[in-house]
Amino acid sequence: GDSVTQMEGPVTLSEEAFLTINCTYTATGYPSLFWYVQYPGEGLQLLLKATKADDKGSNKGFEATYRKETTSFHLEKGSVQVSDSAVYFCALLNAGGTSYGKLTFGQGTILTVHP
Amino acid sequence: KAGVTQTPRYLIKTRGQQVTLSCSPISGHRSVSWYQQTPGQGLQFLFEYFSETQRNKGNFPGRFSGRQFSNSRSEMNVSTLELGDSALYLCASSVVAGGPREQFFGPGTRLTVL
Repeated sequence: GDSVTQMEGPVTLSEEAFLTINCTYTATGYPSLFWYVQYPGEGLQLLLKATKADDKGSNKGFEATYRKETTSFHLEKGSVQVSDSAVYFCALLNAGGTSYGKLTFGQGTILTVHP
Repeated sequence: KAGVTQTPRYLIKTRGQQVTLSCSPISGHRSVSWYQQTPGQGLQFLFEYFSETQRNKGNFPGRFSGRQFSNSRSEMNVSTLELGDSALYLCASSVVAGGPREQFFGPGTRLTVL
């Protein structure tokens, strides 16, 4: 079945540092890939998405590129802020059959940014 | 456009009771998915509904059930509650057109089973 693996966390950075959170996946076919962010006490917010190989998703300074050859979708940001402190989830969504409406998530990476 | 809403936001129940959670999707979204989030198991898929039909179901016991109404609103029910059912229950809605589409999540219902 489909699966997503995120780098082990937590990740602690100083403000303005560079961020990378690794994500690799296993899936049949051509899934869509997503990054979601969860702030304390809240639901998940869609951060960015990519629907086909070599697509780059970007939002609020975050970027991720759909790499089919390495089955990866790493999240990057050039300069993090304290307000970026949250839990980040990588996820995939496949088409049809037993995949209807089913996001498969990684385990989540806790990011803490210090001033 | 209003986002996904879930009610109630918090629930406290005792073992053996049953509970019903409600989810109203974004206007125009016809697919609703439900997830359970726990510290130990992470985010796990419960089921998905589209046009009042369950199209997919995760690996949960039959105590977990759901339904969808003609206005796309959805409910999930958990019967005979167990301590392990304590979790954040999230619903998400999406447009269903042209392949896998992003899901938008509600704030969740925090269920505590005592």
